Amino acid sequence: EPEVTQTPSHQVTQMGQEVILRCVPISNHLYFYWYRQILGQKVEFLVSFYNNEISEKSEIFDDQFSVERPDGSNFTLKIRSTKLEDSAMYFCASQKGTSDHNEQFFGPGTRLTVL
Amino acid sequence: GDSVTQMEGPVTLSEEAFLTINCTYTATGYPSLFWYVQYPGEGLQLLLKATKADDKGSNKGFEATYRKETTSFHLEKGSVQVSDSAVYFCALKANQAGTALIFGKGTTLSVSS
Repeated sequence: EPEVTQTPSHQVTQMGQEVILRCVPISNHLYFYWYRQILGQKVEFLVSFYNNEISEKSEIFDDQFSVERPDGSNFTLKIRSTKLEDSAMYFCASQKGTSDHNEQFFGPGTRLTVL
Repeated sequence: GDSVTQMEGPVTLSEEAFLTINCTYTATGYPSLFWYVQYPGEGLQLLLKATKADDKGSNKGFEATYRKETTSFHLEKGSVQVSDSAVYFCALKANQAGTALIFGKGTTLSVSS
């Protein structure tokens, strides 16, 4: 069964460093999302991506964040200069089509630890 | 804005006990409602969903009914198993194409034999 994959499973970085989190969505899906979950808190929406551009973003998704779909299969989240408060589990999700009832399929997450 | 509130955990039950995890929501319009489950070391998986008032979603013995009058979507299971131990997330999604899910905090369920 097709699934969303994410790499790495755990990333440790120093404050101020750049990190790139990678996701491979399900191949025929059109909508892509990043969410994050700070330990003990809610899963929060960061950004959605459709047709090679951002379709929606939250207040969290400020200038230090960017997303890219560089090659038609990968979907990346870049954090330019990490802060301690960026430590969280980051989930990628993909959705097949435009029906608002279409399920979002989630990856296993990348745990980012900023020291 | 839209939001989801679910009961605090952890919930600890013995095998075959009855489970209820409460979830209430605040939303403009008529969102779709979801329960996602996260097993240890895995991603979020859709457990069940309901797209309009009075719909009942069900899967793997779990059920939840979309109650517009009480803005609730409580998760229930008549007889839990050890394998149901996981974190359960209630979520809503506005009925527009490509909109994001809004999640509750998650409730950890631990079932012992």
